[in-house]
Amino acid sequence: DIQMTQSPSTLSASVGDRVTITCRAGQTISPWLAWYQQKPGKAPKLLIYRTSSLQSGVPSRFSGGGSETEFSLTISSLQPDDFATYYCQQYDTYPWTFGQGTKVEIK
Amino acid sequence: EVHLVESGGGLIQPGGSLRLSCVASGLSGNNNHITWVRRSPGKGLEWVSAIHSGGATYYADSVKGRFTLSRDNSKNTLYLQMNSLRTEDTALYYCARVLALGSGWVPFDVWGQGTTVTVS
Repeated sequence: DIQMTQSPSTLSASVGDRVTITCRAGQTISPWLAWYQQKPGKAPKLLIYRTSSLQSGVPSRFSGGGSETEFSLTISSLQPDDFATYYCQQYDTYPWTFGQGTKVEIK
Repeated sequence: EVHLVESGGGLIQPGGSLRLSCVASGLSGNNNHITWVRRSPGKGLEWVSAIHSGGATYYADSVKGRFTLSRDNSKNTLYLQMNSLRTEDTALYYCARVLALGSGWVPFDVWGQGTTVTVS
């Protein structure tokens, strides 16, 4: 199985901050990497797919990048609605695997 | 618009069986795959299984041999038969759509609300 490792596990930030979450894959998966946002009591929401493609309806302050085994999700200016848990996921090879999640908290 | 609605969760003893359903509406064509993803209490997301539009099925190692996917196209319903349930199968189970485009897949762009399975 392809292991996905996110960092950090928790991130404390303020509204307006630029934040970056990284995700490392155990082997090359490019470009089949997606990012999701999950809030308590809600289903996850797709933000980014194919490493850098913004899902329809997702604000442009979210962006994704990377290649091979190193990927990132950047929020250019953190908004109050962005405090949530974020997951990366590879869909290059079954079994598809998620990172352990990064919780973005209010500083 | 695509909608997914899960049902069938509940409280079950270890070793028991449960069948989850996912009713899909708004799907068209042969470019939709349906997957199951679960979130255990206090843990992250785990992909469980997938069925492609052509019928091929895939399972996580943790459920292989115990869980089985099937579908009834006349009812637009996908079923996840879960046998030999373990306490570690306790989770909120979501079904989610994977959209197959010519340029690749768009994973999990539509989710259901989830159904809770408690093995205890």
